[in-house]
Amino acid sequence: SYVLTQPPSVSVAPGQTARLPCGGNEIGSQTVQWYQLRPGQAPVLVIYNDDVRPSGIPERFSASGSGHTATLTISRVEVGDEADYYCQVWDRSGVHPYWVFGGGTKLTVL
Amino acid sequence: DVHLVESGGGLVQPGGSLRLSCAASGFTFRSYGMNWVRQSPGKGLEWVAYIGTRISDIYYADSVKGRFTISRDNARNSLHVQMNSLRVEDTATYYCVRGRLYYMDVWGNGTTVTVSS
Repeated sequence: SYVLTQPPSVSVAPGQTARLPCGGNEIGSQTVQWYQLRPGQAPVLVIYNDDVRPSGIPERFSASGSGHTATLTISRVEVGDEADYYCQVWDRSGVHPYWVFGGGTKLTVL
Repeated sequence: DVHLVESGGGLVQPGGSLRLSCAASGFTFRSYGMNWVRQSPGKGLEWVAYIGTRISDIYYADSVKGRFTISRDNARNSLHVQMNSLRVEDTATYYCVRGRLYYMDVWGNGTTVTVSS
């Protein structure tokens, strides 16, 4: 089955740029989504179709991917961006479709 | 506004059963596939099950196949999952999530299931 690998944690100072990587075999050829999880709140889709922001998501959130790495980039990081972030792909290589999540990265805003 | 509200969580002994429900509102429920996704304490997200607009489109994660049954009631705008033969490792917050084929765009707040003796 397809595996997505994320670093457990990333730290960044307010106002700086955070880059959260997501590794997977030829992930550049997959369609990648990103979700934000804050404690006690419903998860939020922040990027779909590799680089599309849903309505209401700030332009500070962007994403890209090629080769074996996809990256969520958060510009001008704010304290409110502190959360866990998960990448996700739709794996159709098996007997049936599988929605695969990475292990998540905890973004700490110092 | 689109809303998904889960219910039915609780404490159950290993080997027991539980049925989770999700009430949907603010969108045409029958037109969307729906998922259950869980997060175990201290761990990441895990997709559990999917049901499409066609009842024939039902898929399960290997970890729950044969024990969980997902279903939907379009007349009542509700999603369910019947969980049997529960294990300690099924302990998690279970989220009801609207599907857009390869991604999930709206999540509920979750309901907590604890499997323990």
